[in-house]
Amino acid sequence: DTEVTQTPKHLVMGMTNKKSLKCEQHMGHRAMYWYKQKAKKPPELMFVYSYEKLSINESVPSRFSPECPNSSLLNLHLHALQPEDSALYLCASSQRTSGSVSYNEQFFGPGTRLTVL
Amino acid sequence: QQQVKQSPQSLIVQKGGISIINCAYENTAFDYFPWYQQFPGKGPALLIAIRPDVSEKKEGRFTISFNKSAKQFSLHIMDSQPGDSATYFCAASIRYNQGGKLIFGQGTELSVKP
Repeated sequence: DTEVTQTPKHLVMGMTNKKSLKCEQHMGHRAMYWYKQKAKKPPELMFVYSYEKLSINESVPSRFSPECPNSSLLNLHLHALQPEDSALYLCASSQRTSGSVSYNEQFFGPGTRLTVL
Repeated sequence: QQQVKQSPQSLIVQKGGISIINCAYENTAFDYFPWYQQFPGKGPALLIAIRPDVSEKKEGRFTISFNKSAKQFSLHIMDSQPGDSATYFCAASIRYNQGGKLIFGQGTELSVKP
C-alpha cells in the first residue's frame, strides 16, 4: 500500500470555526509532513514530524496546530483562520529522515481543499 | 542559496514530441532530486528521482539528466502524450533540523496538443 489518505477532501469554514484535517499512511514511514499549496505555486512546507516528534516548524502561525498521535496518523488543527489561509493542504510521508542523507522520497496525499469565509 | 530555479514556466508540445524542463540549484548540500507531476485538484505524484552520483536515470518515457558540475538537472518526456498535460515540479532535498526538507522549483505547466 503506497497511499497517503486525507480527509476531508473539501472543507469550508468560517473565521471563528475550529476544524481538523486528517492524514493517514500505512507504509511504515516515520516522517510525515504538512504542506500548503496556493494555485499555480509549489507546495510550501509547514511542519515535519520525524518519529512522531515535531522536527520542523516553518514559522507557521499558531492558528495552525499539528498533532501526530501515532506513526500512521497526522492531524492539523485549525482555529481562527483568515481568508488568505484558503489553499490546498497536502500531507506527505517518507521513509525516514535520519542518517547522513535525507532519504526524502516523499509521497503526497490528494489534499484537502480549504476555503475560509 | 536554497533556491531551485525551474524553467520554462509553461510549455506547449505536440503529441509525440519531446518535452524538456530544466532546473538549476546552488547549494551543494542537496542530496536527492525528485520530479513531481501534479494534475489539477490532485496531490503531487512522485515521477522519478535521482541522486547526485548518477548522471542519468530513465523510467519508461521519463528521463532525468543530471550535471553535477553545472548544478543543473532536467526532465525529458519522450513521445509526449495529451495525458502528460500537468504541472511538473522539480525539487531538491536537504538534511535540515533533524528532518529532511524538499525545496521545490516554481513549476512548469505542460500542455501536450493532440
